[in-house]
Amino acid sequence: GQQLNQSPQSMFIQEGEDVSMNCTSSSIFNTWLWYKQDPGEGPVLLIALYKAGELTSNGRLTAQFGITRKDSFLNISASIPSDVGIYFCAGQLGSNTGKLIFGQGTTLQVKP
Amino acid sequence: DTAVSQTPKYLVTQMGNDKSIKCEQNLGHDTMYWYKQDSKKFLKIMFSYNNKELIINETVPNRFSPKSPDKAHLNLHINSLELGDSAVYFCASSPWVTVTDTQYFGPGTRLTVL
Repeated sequence: GQQLNQSPQSMFIQEGEDVSMNCTSSSIFNTWLWYKQDPGEGPVLLIALYKAGELTSNGRLTAQFGITRKDSFLNISASIPSDVGIYFCAGQLGSNTGKLIFGQGTTLQVKP
Repeated sequence: DTAVSQTPKYLVTQMGNDKSIKCEQNLGHDTMYWYKQDSKKFLKIMFSYNNKELIINETVPNRFSPKSPDKAHLNLHINSLELGDSAVYFCASSPWVTVTDTQYFGPGTRLTVL
């Protein structure tokens, strides 16, 4: 089946540092989404990308939809302790079923 | 107000039992989903319903049976629970069946099968 390869698997950084994570796939996706999951909670949408090449920001977060439609990255600038959590990329294929394929997640830890 | 709610939050049960998890959304959305998150945090879709009609049915054992009495509710019934069913189950909803309107997740139900 379709798979998303998300990297890195985990990151441990100092507060104030910038963070970058990415997802790649062998399949072409119509939509890329980035979610954050806090402990004991459900994933919350951070950024949605709908067009190849699209670059979108949400505060300190910036994400891009790759030109080939097979990859996406998420950057977090000037990290703060509340950025701690698991970040997931998710992609939708061409069907209209609403089916999302999720990456394996990147666990981010921020040291104050 | 909670947009997508699930009950119970935690469920501990013995192997072989039958259990249900309930989900309700007050967003007026047409589409609802069930996801399973395993111990490695991998999220995988199980089912989706659009206006009470089954849209997605992934390769899930038939011990799992979703039921949607109306478009605001999607319940998950699990028969003959097995150890491997232990996971966190998330309900989600979206305005329409296409994901471009994004999916909103509930807080999850942690199921532990002993």
